[in-house]
Amino acid sequence: SAVISQKPSRDICQRGTSLTIQCQVDSQVTMMFWYRQQPGQSLTLIATANQGSEATYESGFVIDKFPISRPNLTFSTLTVSNMSPEDSSIYLCSMGLGNIQYFGAGTRLSVL
Amino acid sequence: AQTVTQSQPEMSVQEAETVTLSCTYDTSESNYYLFWYKQPPSRQMILVIRQEAYKQQNATENRFSVNFQKAAKSFSLKISDSQLGDTAMYFCAFRIGSSNTGKLIFGQGTTLQVKP
Repeated sequence: SAVISQKPSRDICQRGTSLTIQCQVDSQVTMMFWYRQQPGQSLTLIATANQGSEATYESGFVIDKFPISRPNLTFSTLTVSNMSPEDSSIYLCSMGLGNIQYFGAGTRLSVL
Repeated sequence: AQTVTQSQPEMSVQEAETVTLSCTYDTSESNYYLFWYKQPPSRQMILVIRQEAYKQQNATENRFSVNFQKAAKSFSLKISDSQLGDTAMYFCAFRIGSSNTGKLIFGQGTTLQVKP
């Protein structure tokens, strides 16, 4: 199995500010994934982060709103920029290892 | 487009009983993986079981087993001898190809309540 450390675990933010979420994995992996889970809903992929290249964003998500960094094979960050109450969600990072995707514990974000 | 459908938003079962969660998917691909993930209130996503599409034999992990019907594109999860710790939201997920670099597509989830 794999260990994924994600922080912060939760935060309450004011609208218009930005929050950076960090994800550290204990194995070197090519791809890391960032998902959003709105309250009581399923997971939606935001983007795929490949080390050494620009992240690939899914339809409905843009780099200006959700910039991602992937400086090495064990670390990634997701920033939620210029937040509004609609950004209140759980954000999860994920990575694949041996045909299985493992997930961090998630960041619960509340925007006031 | 690939889709995953879980038609049961909520289910409940008595402790020690058996429950089946349904999942259907749609794809034109022949090489894919199917997964069931569990998300307890702590919200840590935990892999319950996985199935390779090319394998006809249904996967089993202790009390958890699947009924994989490839022609019908159905992938149900059976939980035997339900325990209170099984209370969680369960997500069916799908991934094209055998590489772990592929994205997962999730169903809407089924909230399972195990009652004492």
